[in-house]
Amino acid sequence: QVQLVQSGVEVKKPGASVKVSCKASGYSFSSYGISWVRQAPGQGLEWMGWVSTYNHNRYYVQKFEGRLTMTTDTSTSTAYLELRSLRSDDTAVYFCARVFLIIIGGVLVPKWGAFDLWGQGTMVTVSS
Amino acid sequence: DIQMTQSPSSLSASVGDRLTITCRASQSIITYLNWYQQKPGEAPKLLIYDASSLQSGVPSRFSGSGSGTDFTLTISSLQPEDFATYYCQQSYSTPYSFGQGTKVEI
Repeated sequence: QVQLVQSGVEVKKPGASVKVSCKASGYSFSSYGISWVRQAPGQGLEWMGWVSTYNHNRYYVQKFEGRLTMTTDTSTSTAYLELRSLRSDDTAVYFCARVFLIIIGGVLVPKWGAFDLWGQGTMVTVSS
Repeated sequence: DIQMTQSPSSLSASVGDRLTITCRASQSIITYLNWYQQKPGEAPKLLIYDASSLQSGVPSRFSGSGSGTDFTLTISSLQPEDFATYYCQQSYSTPYSFGQGTKVEI
């Protein structure tokens, strides 16, 4: 079954770090990139960045620079998001999402900004 | 950064209605526009990519159109399972950004 399964609920204190995992199955993990998107309670979607699963290139949204690290482990088909120096406004559901690939002229081409497979989400609560 | 604005923010509709949601970008994004559906407690689901291409497995009652800065998502005949929140998202340039969402309610 093609799926992304994320790690469970996290409760952290301000200033702490959190590491969320996203395990892929049912497809070739190294052929796709992974993006991370978060959603604060009752709010909309916020894209945080992406990481390539084959060359480890990555892009982080500037507001997270210095606090955010996205990594992948191709041996376990798992992507990770680590967010440091947590604040109360980091309280959100964090989703991993697979970068969409389409076939153009017989070649798989990534559409970096579109996401066709999502994890179930990981709730991270930051509270003292 | 590109700002995405959806309208309306919410709407009430009935089964069988034809529905149109609008999304406007703060600058031209050509056709690098995606639409997602999200139900409460679930992850978003890709419906439309490149403004008008239907994702595999998505019912044909969903359609998208537009280019440049103005885009629409249309549901030709609303079904009970379509009551959800819909988000547009630009994939023209990083940081990729979402609209604020349109909640479709009964």
